[in-house]
Amino acid sequence: KAGVTQTPRYLIKTRGQQVTLSCSPISGHRSVSWYQQTPGQGLQFLFEYFSETQRNKGNFPGRFSGRQFSNSRSEMNVSTLELGDSALYLCASSQGRPGQTQYFGPGTRLLVL
Amino acid sequence: GESVGLHLPTLSVQEGDNSIINCAYSNSASDYFIWYKQESGKGPQFIIDIRSNMDKRQGQRVTVLLNKTVKHLSLQIAATQPGDSAVYFCAENPPGGGADGLTFGKGTHLIIQP
Repeated sequence: KAGVTQTPRYLIKTRGQQVTLSCSPISGHRSVSWYQQTPGQGLQFLFEYFSETQRNKGNFPGRFSGRQFSNSRSEMNVSTLELGDSALYLCASSQGRPGQTQYFGPGTRLLVL
Repeated sequence: GESVGLHLPTLSVQEGDNSIINCAYSNSASDYFIWYKQESGKGPQFIIDIRSNMDKRQGQRVTVLLNKTVKHLSLQIAATQPGDSAVYFCAENPPGGGADGLTFGKGTHLIIQP
């Protein structure tokens, strides 16, 4: 079974721009969660989607948004990029039932200049 | 707020020795814990998990111990190999299910000395 895939792997943007990242979950997984990883803050939860609905959201500003498609693929968007948005963005998929393991993709490395 | 944390940022061990990585959690109602390994340039990789109704679980060369009395979690790696070099994170799955995100500790960087 193929793992979680994320595209693109690397991205360079400038302040004020917007970016869209994509995540394809493991086949059969209906839940996709997004995390931001930085050296200073570690891994922080952004949001989770299940069956095309945002089920939960972390403590990030409204510039961070996401969506999920009927095939469970998910995208996250960051608008009006700031320097502090430079990070590794990880998505993780699971079957979506309580207490199930999340499996991570390789991440998208975003650099904001 | 409640959080999951790790005791040591870096752990250096000799190849072949056993490694023990520790984690403290503060949410006594947490019912599920996971250890992840993250190698440079990669996403976190699932190693082993444990539910709160257990105090020990073994995998291949790895053992997770859960002490609910002191809210402590540890990962033991037997006969450490160079390929074990990575950052190890413990993660807490909030009570009640997977709707909330995982809460991660800061990570311990395991360094293997030849």
